[in-house]
Amino acid sequence: KAGVTQTPRYLIKTRGQQVTLSCSPISGHRSVSWYQQTPGQGLQFLFEYFSETQRNKGNFPGRFSGRQFSNSRSEMNVSTLELGDSALYLCASGMTGENEKLFFGSGTQLSVL
Amino acid sequence: GQNIDQPTEMTATEGAIVQINCTYQTSGFNGLFWYQQHAGEAPTFLSYNVLDGLEEKGRFSSFLSRSKGYSYLLLKELQMKDSASYLCASSNDYKLSFGAGTTVTVRA
Repeated sequence: KAGVTQTPRYLIKTRGQQVTLSCSPISGHRSVSWYQQTPGQGLQFLFEYFSETQRNKGNFPGRFSGRQFSNSRSEMNVSTLELGDSALYLCASGMTGENEKLFFGSGTQLSVL
Repeated sequence: GQNIDQPTEMTATEGAIVQINCTYQTSGFNGLFWYQQHAGEAPTFLSYNVLDGLEEKGRFSSFLSRSKGYSYLLLKELQMKDSASYLCASSNDYKLSFGAGTTVTVRA
């Protein structure tokens, strides 16, 4: 059974650009959540989707957005990139997304220059 | 809001026991998770407590006291491969709120 797949693995962008990250959950999982990980702030929740609906959103500016498709794959987009957006972006999937073990992907390491 | 505290670093000797404490102050708390994360890798699930008490799973055990807002992860018979960051997280409303993580270094 394949794990959570995130693409790309590494990404280098410049300030002001926009970026789209992709996450394919484990087959059969309908919940996908996104987290930002930085050395200073640790893991911070971005948003969670279930059956194409966003059920919760963290305290990030509107430049951060996401969506989920009917096959449960999810994308997140960051517009007008800032230096502070440099981080590891992790995606996690689960059957229901509530009070259950989540499976994390290896993440996308984003560097903003 | 979510406020989760755990020690930054701990060092122990191979074969020893280490206890990582976690205190939390969260609204709408549903359960407490522990994840392990090796450097450069994804977090992996270790344990989940929703009721008070001790959950034992091999060399790892986790304890929860909901009334005290307190949990701990106990790592027994430490091995070199246990050197990693251990993340405490509370569960609520389809999200995990993580502590900053405790880096455990196991020395020979």
